[in-house]
Amino acid sequence: DVKVTQSSRYLVKRTGEKVFLECVQDMDHENMFWYRQDPGLGLRLIYFSYDVKMKEKGDIPEGYSVSREKKERFSLILESASTNQTSMYLCASRVGSYNSPLHFGNGTRLTVT
Amino acid sequence: RKEVEQDPGPFNVPEGATVAFNCTYSNSASQSFFWYRQDCRKEPKLLMSVYSSGNEDGRFTAQLNRASQYISLLIRDSKLSDSATYLCAVNTRGGGTSGTYKYIFGTGTRLKVLA
Repeated sequence: DVKVTQSSRYLVKRTGEKVFLECVQDMDHENMFWYRQDPGLGLRLIYFSYDVKMKEKGDIPEGYSVSREKKERFSLILESASTNQTSMYLCASRVGSYNSPLHFGNGTRLTVT
Repeated sequence: RKEVEQDPGPFNVPEGATVAFNCTYSNSASQSFFWYRQDCRKEPKLLMSVYSSGNEDGRFTAQLNRASQYISLLIRDSKLSDSATYLCAVNTRGGGTSGTYKYIFGTGTRLKVLA
């Protein structure tokens, strides 16, 4: 079974803090993704990475950055957390072929106060 | 128009009923298609991929209609445990330097199976 692990299930941070969300996968997948999910808006892609040290912006990258120094790890960074970044954050990975599905981690529910 | 659209529901059906959901997509170049199940406050889990010829997995049947640009999910003999939100996902070649495929998700259809 594919295992995608997100380091925290729940996080509470203050406005202006720098926040790191970590994601690790154990299946040697090439591609990794960060989404956020909000009621009524569904899953929105923040950033993705198709290989080590490679990254591309998704649909809503503003206020976020990412790091992929090792193949198994993909980090999402909120440079200066704001209340509108309160959300469920989901990491996903897949093998690098076009028809392979995404496998999700169990999510991090972030609250910014 | 959204790239991927689903009826949000909820679909309230009795146990044992057959229920079908549709998902429309706007990009005719989309390459692959999936259905996910998401329980409340949990992550989406892959239910099944959708193949051109249609495919079945137990009580679940998925179909693709490329001409009309929609996919469907049919659930037969609904169980209480089928209550969840069902998300469709469409894989389309993205822009950027890599040309990597991007997954676009619908906002989900909520199903409630009633005893």
